[in-house]
Amino acid sequence: AIQLTQSPSSLSASVGDRVTITCRASQDISNDLGWFQQRPGQAPKLLIFSASSLQNGVPSRFRGSGSGTDFTLTITSLQPEDFATYYCLQNYKFPWTFGHGTKVEIK
Amino acid sequence: QAQLVESGGGVVQPGRSLRLSCAASGFIFSSHAMNWVRQAPGKGLEWVAVISYDGSDQYYADSVNGRFTVSRGRSNNLYLQMNRLRVEDTAVYYCVRGGGGTYYGRYFDLWGRGTLVTVSA
Repeated sequence: AIQLTQSPSSLSASVGDRVTITCRASQDISNDLGWFQQRPGQAPKLLIFSASSLQNGVPSRFRGSGSGTDFTLTITSLQPEDFATYYCLQNYKFPWTFGHGTKVEIK
Repeated sequence: QAQLVESGGGVVQPGRSLRLSCAASGFIFSSHAMNWVRQAPGKGLEWVAVISYDGSDQYYADSVNGRFTVSRGRSNNLYLQMNRLRVEDTAVYYCVRGGGGTYYGRYFDLWGRGTLVTVSA
C-alpha cells in the first residue's frame, strides 16, 4: 500500500501566521491527492482536491501544491476557525490511504 | 441540500455481525461512487471501502477485505455489512460521497456525521 507521511504531526501557531503542512507519498501518485480539515467532534471537510484545486466554498487562504511524491498544504493567514487536524489522502491506487494527520494548535 | 445520514451503529460482541446504513438525499445518488471511512477513538482516518456509481465494483482496505461488504440499494441507500467483527473495528464510520464524476470518484466531497460502532465483550 502507498504510505503517506505527513509532517509535522503537530504545530503551534498564532492567528495571522502562515502555516505549511507537507505530505510525502511512498511512490508517485501524480496529482491524486486531497486535503481535509477535521475540527473536534465534527466530520472531515474537503479543502483541496487533485493536489491544488480549491473545493467550492473553501476560503482562498488554503492553497495546495505539489505532484508526484511531495505535496504541501499552506494556510496563508491562520484564522481562529482553522485550528483543527488536517489529513491528506491519496486516491491514486487501491487501497486508498490517509496520512496520519497534523494537529494545528493555538500558540 | 445534499446530505448523508448514517445509522445502525451500536455495541456488538467480537465475532458478531452488524449492518450500517447511509441515507442519501439532495443529489443524484446513482451518479456517484460511495465510500465508507472510519476513525477509531482518538485516532486518524482510515478508508474502508468504495463502491462504483453503478454498484458493479467494490474495493476494500486490507484490514476488512473478506469480512465487510459494501452495497447500494434502490432507494438512495448505501450499506456496509460487517461480519466477524473484531475489537479493532471499533470506530466512528462515515459515509462519504465520491465527487468528480469518475467510476470510483476523484475526491471525497460530502461526508455524513458518522455512526459509532463499538466491538466489545
